[in-house]
Amino acid sequence: ETGVTQSPTHLIKTRGQQVTLRCSSQSGHNTVSWYQQALGQGPQFIFQYYREEENGRGNFPPRFSGLQFPNYSSELNVNALELDDSALYLCASSLTGYGEQYFGPGTRLTVT
Amino acid sequence: DAKTTQPPSMDCAEGRAANLPCNHSTISGNEYVYWYRQIHSQGPQYIIHGLKNNETNEMASLIITEDRKSSTLILPHATLRDTAVYYCIDPSNTGNQFYFGTGTSLTVIP
Repeated sequence: ETGVTQSPTHLIKTRGQQVTLRCSSQSGHNTVSWYQQALGQGPQFIFQYYREEENGRGNFPPRFSGLQFPNYSSELNVNALELDDSALYLCASSLTGYGEQYFGPGTRLTVT
Repeated sequence: DAKTTQPPSMDCAEGRAANLPCNHSTISGNEYVYWYRQIHSQGPQYIIHGLKNNETNEMASLIITEDRKSSTLILPHATLRDTAVYYCIDPSNTGNQFYFGTGTSLTVIP
């Protein structure tokens, strides 16, 4: 059974640019959640996708957007990057919108 | 916002039991409490979850008070590889859209 994978591992972008991060969910899981983790902080919930529809959103501006595909993989897009967007971005998948979820290794984004 | 309270840091001697407390006084009656840990710069790892009965798996034990307002995660024989930040999560009314606090940084000392 393949776990949650994320790409790329690391990324460096310039302020104002746009970025796309990718996540492949664990086999059989139809729900994907995205989190942002700044240095020294716990992960912060960005949004969740269930069967290709957004199923909940945390306190993040609209320039954070997402997509879930029919195979339940997902993308996180961030427009107009700001320095404060520098963080570890984590993806987690679960069987449904309830219960334990399993995290990928994360993508480290640095905005300069 | 996170709905749990945990001590910011703890030490534990290698081979001894590590007992990590969590206060979740506002947890809903039908919500589970979840525990995760995060080893430096890796994705959080699921440990265990419980509703009202004590739970045990190959990683840890979870003791939940009768009033469900607090719980304790027990690592029975801590090893150096258990050094991590441990998060207790009360997902009340948010499904598994988890709101993490700052967790407890556990250091296992040789």
